[in-house]
Amino acid sequence: DIQMTQSPSAMSASVGDRVTITCRASQGISNSLAWFQQHPGKVPKRLIYAASSLQSGAPSRFSGSGSGTEFSLTINGLQPEDFATYYCLQQNNYPYTFGQGTKLEIK
Amino acid sequence: EVQLVESGGDLVQPGGSLRLSCAASGFTFSSFAIHWVRQAPGKGLEYVSGISSNGGSTYYADSVKGRFTISRDNSKNTVYLQMGSLRGDDMALYSCARGGLDGWGQGTTVTVSS
Repeated sequence: DIQMTQSPSAMSASVGDRVTITCRASQGISNSLAWFQQHPGKVPKRLIYAASSLQSGAPSRFSGSGSGTEFSLTINGLQPEDFATYYCLQQNNYPYTFGQGTKLEIK
Repeated sequence: EVQLVESGGDLVQPGGSLRLSCAASGFTFSSFAIHWVRQAPGKGLEYVSGISSNGGSTYYADSVKGRFTISRDNSKNTVYLQMGSLRGDDMALYSCARGGLDGWGQGTTVTVSS
């Protein structure tokens, strides 16, 4: 199975900051990567698919990049509602696999 | 609007069995793969199983292979997850999701305890 290594596991930032979360795949997955946001007790929401395509309805401050084995999610201008946990998911091979998550907290 | 509603979660003893259901509406069910994802309390998301749109292909995480079976009934717009030989580490909120995981249900809770 493909392993997804996400970093950092936790971070703190301030409103207005620019933050980047990275995900590394144990083997090449082309651009078959999605990013999800999850607030406590809520359903995960897909933000990015195909590595860099913005999900309809997701704010434009979210962007994704990468291909092969290295991927990143960037949030430009953090808003209070962005403090949540973020997960990457590889969809190139079954079984799909998630990264371990990045908890983004307010500094 | 995409709607996915899970049911069947319950308290079950270690070694027991349970069948979860995922009822879908608001989209052409027979055109989409469906997946199960679980989340143990305080832990991250874990992919469990998936099934292709026509049910011809099924996929499992290593942690459940041989113990869980996924199936679907396109005439009922429903996917099932038959869970057997349940263990403590299977205890979680189980959610189903559509295709690219762009739509999720609220989940159903499985508790494994004696």
